Amino acid sequence: DAKTTQPPSMDCAEGRAANLPCNHSTISGNEYVYWYRQIHSQGPQYIIHGLKNNETNEMASLIITEDRKSSTLILPHATLRDTAVYYCIAGTNQAGTALIFGKGTTLSVSS
Amino acid sequence: NAGVMQNPRHLVRRRGQEARLRCSPMKGHSHVYWYRQLPEEGLKFMVYLQKENIIDESGMPKERFSAEFPKEGPSILRIQQVVRGDSAAYFCASSLGRTRSYEQYFGPGTRLTVT
Repeated sequence: DAKTTQPPSMDCAEGRAANLPCNHSTISGNEYVYWYRQIHSQGPQYIIHGLKNNETNEMASLIITEDRKSSTLILPHATLRDTAVYYCIAGTNQAGTALIFGKGTTLSVSS
Repeated sequence: NAGVMQNPRHLVRRRGQEARLRCSPMKGHSHVYWYRQLPEEGLKFMVYLQKENIIDESGMPKERFSAEFPKEGPSILRIQQVVRGDSAAYFCASSLGRTRSYEQYFGPGTRLTVT
C-alpha cells in the first residue's frame, strides 16, 4: 500500500472551512484514497473515499489532484465536534484490505 | 440500526490471566477486523476474519493471541497470559466485504488494562 504524508497538526476557527492535505506520491493506479477520523478515544469513523474524481458527501469533500499524488479533505463549516485526528489512507478496495493508519493530522477547531 | 458492538468496554486483568474481547459486527456484515492502539501510538491491524475463517493474521503477535469468528455469535479476540505490554485499546471493525472493504465501521473499543 502507498505511504501517505500528512501535517501533524492544524488549527481551524469554528465555522470556517478546514482543508486537510495529504501527499501520496507513490499511489498506484488501483489504489483509492480514503479518509477516517478518530474523535478523542472513540473508534475511527469512515469519512469519504475517492479514486480519481472529486467526491462529496454529507460530511466532507475530497479533492484529488489530476496526477493523484496528493489530495485535500475539506470540512466546509468546521464545528467544535470536528476536533479529531484525521487519517489519510491509500489502498485497494479488495476484500480484506487492512487499513494502515499513520500518525494523521490532529485538527483543533476553536471558537 | 445498531452499529458495531464491543464488550466489555473496559477490562482489567492481572498479569497471567486471560482476556476475552467480543465483537458483534453490523447487521449484514460478514467481514471483521481487529486493530490495536497502544498508548500514544497509532492503530495497528491485527487480524481479518470472515465467518469461520481467519483470512489474514499477519498483524497478530505469534504467541498468546488468537481470534475466531464462529458461524453463530460474535467474533472473539483472546489473549492468554496477559502482560503489561498488552494494555491497549482494541478496536473491532466490520465491512460488507468484497468491493467495499475500505468502508469499515468501527466499534467503540475495549480498553484493556493489565495490572
